Amino acid sequence: EAGVAQSPRYKIIEKRQSVAFWCNPISGHATLYWYQQILGQGPKLLIQFQNNGVVDDSQLPKDRFSAERLKGVDSTLKIQPAKLEDSAVYLCASSPVGSGSYRPSYNEQFFGPGTRLTVL
Amino acid sequence: KQEVTQIPAALSVPEGENLVLNCSFTDSAIYNLQWFRQDPGKGLTSLLLIQSSQREQTSGRLNASLDKSSGRSTLYIAASQPGDSATYLCAVLWGGGTASKLTFGTGTRLQVTL
Repeated sequence: EAGVAQSPRYKIIEKRQSVAFWCNPISGHATLYWYQQILGQGPKLLIQFQNNGVVDDSQLPKDRFSAERLKGVDSTLKIQPAKLEDSAVYLCASSPVGSGSYRPSYNEQFFGPGTRLTVL
Repeated sequence: KQEVTQIPAALSVPEGENLVLNCSFTDSAIYNLQWFRQDPGKGLTSLLLIQSSQREQTSGRLNASLDKSSGRSTLYIAASQPGDSATYLCAVLWGGGTASKLTFGTGTRLQVTL
């Protein structure tokens, strides 16, 4: 079974530029998450989708960040314009929550390799 | 507020030692708890998941325990190897429903020396 795929793996941009990240979850997983991990900290949830609907985006800085999952499969996260403090690793995860195969007793998230963003 | 804390922030041990990593959480009404491993510049690899009804889980040289009443979990690594060097993250899921959110600790950076 293929894991969660993310691209690009690394991105360097200047402040005020735009950037986009892509994620393809594990096949059949209805729920997709985007996390931001700043150096030395644990990941922080930015947005959670179930199929193509947003479940939680309470910690997404909506003035500059946007995300979509139009067909309920892959997803993109965009930052426009980027700030220095956006330098972080952006992690995508997926879970079977909300899927046909989902068992209530099983709620585990599987993470992709992440995209390391450096804003200069 | 639901928070997860990991102590120590960093740990260095010689190869072959058994070691324990600690995780504490503020609200005992958890749904499950996961331990992850993160290598530098890489994503998270799930090591063990403990459901709220379980006391421990084992995988190879790893054993994770859960004590909800005291708000603690430990990750025990037996016979440590240099390849175990990584950051270990503890994450707690409260609620268990569709909108439940995984809350992470800040991790313990482990260095196993030759």
